[in-house]
Amino acid sequence: DAGVTQSPTHLIKTRGQQVTLRCSPISGHKSVSWYQQVLGQGPQFIFQYYEKEERGRGNFPDRFSARQFPNYSSELNVNALLLGDSALYLCASSDPTDTQYFGPGTRLTVL
Amino acid sequence: QQQVKQSPQSLIVQKGGISIINCAYENTAFDYFPWYQQFPGKGPALLIAIRPDVSEKKEGRFTISFNKSAKQFSLHIMDSQPGDSATYFCAATPPYNTDKLIFGTGTRLQVFP
Repeated sequence: DAGVTQSPTHLIKTRGQQVTLRCSPISGHKSVSWYQQVLGQGPQFIFQYYEKEERGRGNFPDRFSARQFPNYSSELNVNALLLGDSALYLCASSDPTDTQYFGPGTRLTVL
Repeated sequence: QQQVKQSPQSLIVQKGGISIINCAYENTAFDYFPWYQQFPGKGPALLIAIRPDVSEKKEGRFTISFNKSAKQFSLHIMDSQPGDSATYFCAATPPYNTDKLIFGTGTRLQVFP
């Protein structure tokens, strides 16, 4: 079975631009969560979606938004990029036992 | 505000030794405590997890010890192997939302032959 997949693998943007990151959960998983991992730190929770509804939001500005599609895939959008948005963005999907499985992440560099 | 504090930041252990990583949490409402292992270029992978009604859980060479009164939990890796070299994160979740993981700052473990 395929694990959680994310695209793109790497991305380079400049300040002020907008970016969209994509995630496909494990087949059968209906919950998707997004995390930001800055180099040398633990992942920080951004959003959780379940059945296309937002179930949780972390302490991130409104520049960050997300959505979940009918096939349970998800997109994370970040507007007006700042240098501090440079990080590894992780997507995780949950099984019915609430165990989270992480994808390999998208490395975003903002110049 | 760091709700889950993890130590040490880095750890060097000889092959066959015991690796011990400690975490402390602040919110007594947390009710799920997983440990994740992350290799460079990969996402975190669940290693082992515990709930506060249990004081210890063992899976193979990995053991979680949980002290509810002290609000601390630790990961013990017995017979550490070079393949265990990775970054380890403890985490906790609030009640009724195990998808909202609150991670510690991570411990980089290096196991030398």
